[in-house]
Amino acid sequence: RKEVEQDPGPFNVPEGATVAFNCTYSNSASQSFFWYRQDCRKEPKLLMSVYSSGNEDGRFTAQLNRASQYISLLIRDSKLSDSATYLCVFLTGTASKLTFGTGTRLQVTL
Amino acid sequence: NAGVTQTPKFQVLKTGQSMTLQCAQDMNHEYMSWYRQDPGMGLRLIHYSVGAGITDQGEVPNGYNVSRSTTEDFPLRLLSAAPSQTSVYFCASRSPGQGNPDTQYFGPGTRLTVL
Repeated sequence: RKEVEQDPGPFNVPEGATVAFNCTYSNSASQSFFWYRQDCRKEPKLLMSVYSSGNEDGRFTAQLNRASQYISLLIRDSKLSDSATYLCVFLTGTASKLTFGTGTRLQVTL
Repeated sequence: NAGVTQTPKFQVLKTGQSMTLQCAQDMNHEYMSWYRQDPGMGLRLIHYSVGAGITDQGEVPNGYNVSRSTTEDFPLRLLSAAPSQTSVYFCASRSPGQGNPDTQYFGPGTRLTVL
C-alpha cells in the first residue's frame, strides 16, 4: 500500500458548488497533517493544518479520521480562484521529513 | 524577508554535465530540504539538512550531492546529469522552534531539462 493516496482528479465543479477531497495514509504513527495548495507551475503553499477535532478556515474545512487513516478537505461555495492542485501532507517520526501526496486537481468553472 | 530563493529558474543541460542548483533562505530556519516533482509522482525528497554541517539522504538521493556550510544556504549538486533527472526541483525550509513549526516554505522552483 502506498504511504499516501489521493484521487488525482480532475474534479470539475461549477462556481458555488461544494467539493470534498479525501487522502488516505498508511502509517498509523503519522503525527501531523496538512493540506497544501499548488497553482500551475508554482510552488506548494500551506493551505491549512488538520487537527483531530476538525478545523475551519473560511470556506475550507479539514478533518482527520485516525481510525480510518484519512484526512479530508471540504470547500464550500467554490470560487474560480480555488482552481489548483491540493496536496495532502503528513509528518511522521523524524521531524525533518514530510510526505506528500500526488495531489488532487480541482477545476472550478463558470 | 525574501523567504526561500532558488537559482536558476530554468536550466537545460546535456547528459554528463554537472551543475549546482542554489537555494538560500533568510528566515533562520534550521531545516532545509530538496524535492523533485514529476508528473504523477508527487514531491519526492532528495536530501535534507537539520542544521549547518548536517545532511542526510531522502527518498531519491542517487546522482545528487548536498552540503550545508551555513544556515542560509543549501546547494544541490548534480554530479553527471542524466535525462531521468529532468524535473522541477523545489527547495524548502522550516523551523521546528518558530511560529508554526511544521509550516514548510518552498522556493519558486528550478525547471531542469537534461537532453
